[in-house]
Amino acid sequence: QQPVQSPQAVILREGEDAVINCSSSKALYSVHWYRQKHGEAPVFLMILLKGGEQKGHEKISASFNEKKQQSSLYLTASQLSYSGTYFCGTEITGNTPLVFGKGTRLSVIA
Amino acid sequence: DGGITQSPKYLFRKEGQNVTLSCEQNLNHDAMYWYRQDPGQGLRLIYYSQIVNDFQKGDIAEGYSVSREKKESFPLTVTSAQKNPTAFYLCASSILGAGKQPQHFGDGTRLSIL
Repeated sequence: QQPVQSPQAVILREGEDAVINCSSSKALYSVHWYRQKHGEAPVFLMILLKGGEQKGHEKISASFNEKKQQSSLYLTASQLSYSGTYFCGTEITGNTPLVFGKGTRLSVIA
Repeated sequence: DGGITQSPKYLFRKEGQNVTLSCEQNLNHDAMYWYRQDPGQGLRLIYYSQIVNDFQKGDIAEGYSVSREKKESFPLTVTSAQKNPTAFYLCASSILGAGKQPQHFGDGTRLSIL
């Protein structure tokens, strides 16, 4: 079942923060996050495994709340280069294909 | 450099015609995937394969066919039975046990109807 992402779209000014959520009605094994620029391939950001871990690098981090079956992606002090569509992909077991959400379109303006 | 190569970048299909999209990877990945992307719909799984000579249907397999004769190659055929083929098609690969491993994507093929 397709995970639900929110919000569908968000506009930020440079330097502002954003949170993108990804929720599932099923128990998850892992959550993947990708960013896609228009007309390009999705680029991998990070993976979170069940166990409620939090990961991050530089100003982009994510958490996975196993009780809620929800992952959140945090973008702090946004830059113009953060613009794009963010997708979460969820996995029920460790060897099944990812099911992607519909995406969140993020636009960062000067 | 290792990666995934999709070709062609743009493809046009006439009514009643079958077309084949190429996907080749040199990452030595066992698993390969085909996704269809429509505006506002995210990535929807068409077919996937975890081993040579074996593949599984995804959520929207109707009107599509695949083969996996070599580990490196996973071509997708869009048949005439697919009545709305206009979309952006993405091929991906990963190490098996993808829960801990990212998927790597090709640059995509944009298919349109003439």
